Formats: sequence, C-alpha cells, structure tokens
Amino acid sequence: DSGVTQTPKHLITATGQRVTLRCSPRSGDLSVYWYQQSLDQGLQFLIHYYNGEERAKGNILERFSAQQFPDLHSELNLSSLELGDSALYFCASSVGRGPYGYTFGSGTRLTVV
Amino acid sequence: GENVEQHPSTLSVQEGDSAVIKCTYSDSASNYFPWYKQELGKGPQLIIDIRSNVGEKKDQRIAVTLNKTAKHFSLHITETQPEDSAVYFCAASYNDYKLSFGAGTTVTVRA
Repeated sequence: DSGVTQTPKHLITATGQRVTLRCSPRSGDLSVYWYQQSLDQGLQFLIHYYNGEERAKGNILERFSAQQFPDLHSELNLSSLELGDSALYFCASSVGRGPYGYTFGSGTRLTVV
Repeated sequence: GENVEQHPSTLSVQEGDSAVIKCTYSDSASNYFPWYKQELGKGPQLIIDIRSNVGEKKDQRIAVTLNKTAKHFSLHITETQPEDSAVYFCAASYNDYKLSFGAGTTVTVRA
C-alpha cells in the first residue's frame, strides 16, 4: 500500500456522461498530481495542486477539471466523456511542490462505452 | 517541453543476467531523473532517482548513471530475478513540478 488512495478502482460509463475520480494523498503530503495513462500516449501530466491551490496544468482537456479540498484530498472531474477518454488515471502525491519522491496511487481504470 | 525517449521497448533476459534500459532527454535544464517500476494492476513505484549533480547512484541490485553532456541516463539491474519482471519508466523533470515520462520498457525475466 503506497499510502495514496484512489477511488473507484474501476469505472464503466457511457459516452457523454460525467464522472468524478477521487484521490487521498499520503499523510503529510501537500501536493497532488493527476496523470493519464493510455496505451498510445503513455503517462501524461494533467494537473498539479499544492495545498489547495492549482500550480500547473499540462495536457488537460477543457472538459476535465480538478480541485483540491481543505483536507487535501483531490477530485478529477471528467465530463462529456468520449471513447478516447478511456484510460488509467493516476494521482500521485509528494511532500513539497516538486516531483521528488512522487508516490502514485493504484489508479482508476475508466472505460467509456 | 521536455521529451524523454526510452529504449528498448521490450527486454527479455535470463534470470541472473543483467538488464540495461536507456533514456535520453531533450532539455538540458532537467535536473531530476527518477525511475519507476509498474507491475500489472498497480501504480508506478519509485525504485531509484538521481539528481543532476550526481553521476551514478546504486541501491543493492539497481543502479542509475547520468551523462549530462550527452543528455542520457540509464538503469542497470544486476542478477535479475523473476520478481524484476515489470514495466519500467524513466522520467525527467526540468521545471520542478511535473515529470515527463518515457514510453516504458517491458522487462521479462526468464527462469
């Protein structure tokens, strides 16, 4: 157990729908990062939050949004889902603002049908 | 942005032999180079990392070397065991928050 908790583990939904993925960081970690892993694109950085504030955005679609709450857990919202959004979504956490010692959760596998 | 290339994409080795995975990066400002191991159904797990002021780092059977001039770094696994079978990712960071990952190497250790 890495200490980073992601729920749900699996999600199957239809095109056009909206889903929310949840991540609880390791105790003491202030940073949360979201990554998308697909077969053709590999691990792609989506967004980074530090202590409740958005710090950086990567290749995140406008249909996707995220937030980090006062208790430091984070949610990734995916809307108007398309077949191409099917992927593994990972969150990672770290103590500081930097990527040093990232710890990943076990991921949420999203299947859009 | 940073571009990380990783080779080979697949690697099959006999148990007890060594495995070497190589990565190159594009941005000379990159200063942090971690390696992750991903087993089936799990998230990537950090196995070793190196910073740009260090040329080599070793932890038991794994080692990483960094050549900043050539902009490449490598993972070496010695005395491979069946539990070393997994997908390995290299990564590089140049702006102190996000990691840019290589495409991954699937390592199979044959018994």
